[in-house]
Amino acid sequence: NAGVTQTPKFQVLKTGQSMTLQCAQDMNHEYMSWYRQDPGMGLRLIHYSVGAGITDQGEVPNGYNVSRSTTEDFPLRLLSAAPSQTSVYFCASSYSKGNYGYTFGSGTRLTVV
Amino acid sequence: AQRVTQPEKLLSVFKGAPVELKCNYSYSGSPELFWYVQYSRQRLQLLLRHISRESIKGFTADLNKGETSFHLKKPFAQEEDSAMYYCAVIASGTYKYIFGTGTRLKVLA
Repeated sequence: NAGVTQTPKFQVLKTGQSMTLQCAQDMNHEYMSWYRQDPGMGLRLIHYSVGAGITDQGEVPNGYNVSRSTTEDFPLRLLSAAPSQTSVYFCASSYSKGNYGYTFGSGTRLTVV
Repeated sequence: AQRVTQPEKLLSVFKGAPVELKCNYSYSGSPELFWYVQYSRQRLQLLLRHISRESIKGFTADLNKGETSFHLKKPFAQEEDSAMYYCAVIASGTYKYIFGTGTRLKVLA
């Protein structure tokens, strides 16, 4: 089992560029989420999904889109990158609604210049 | 509003001293609580869940519904415990998993 795999590990974008952060899990987990981690602010929920075809917004969804066409994949799209989106992004998945705990990916460190 | 509060950004203790990392939550109903640990530049790992009442790496946490707290404790800190610790909660009947802002634990030699 690879667990939760995130790509890329590092990325530098120019303001206004778009890109997709990839997240894949091979544990047949129903629940997947995207978080951003910023100093002093902990982890904030961007979007989450409770199954293929079902997504919902978290605390800080503006500027991000998600889709869940398969159980395995949950990509995060930055529509028009802004310096405020400089952060470390973590994808996480869970077997159930999270009460067994989440498995996290290794993160993507994104810098927007 | 749903909230998880970790009042300490940084906690420094000497090796062998007791450790208590504080976590308070504000939720109605029956929340489920967790502690996660993140070692330097690594991914977050689940440390323990309140429903399992287990002890991992010597850490324990007791849910106190009266005080709405879920403090993480260890009787004797070790240098390898130095890490970032996050308290998290999932409110009953929801799918949203909310984290606190984290506490950095430094264990000094």
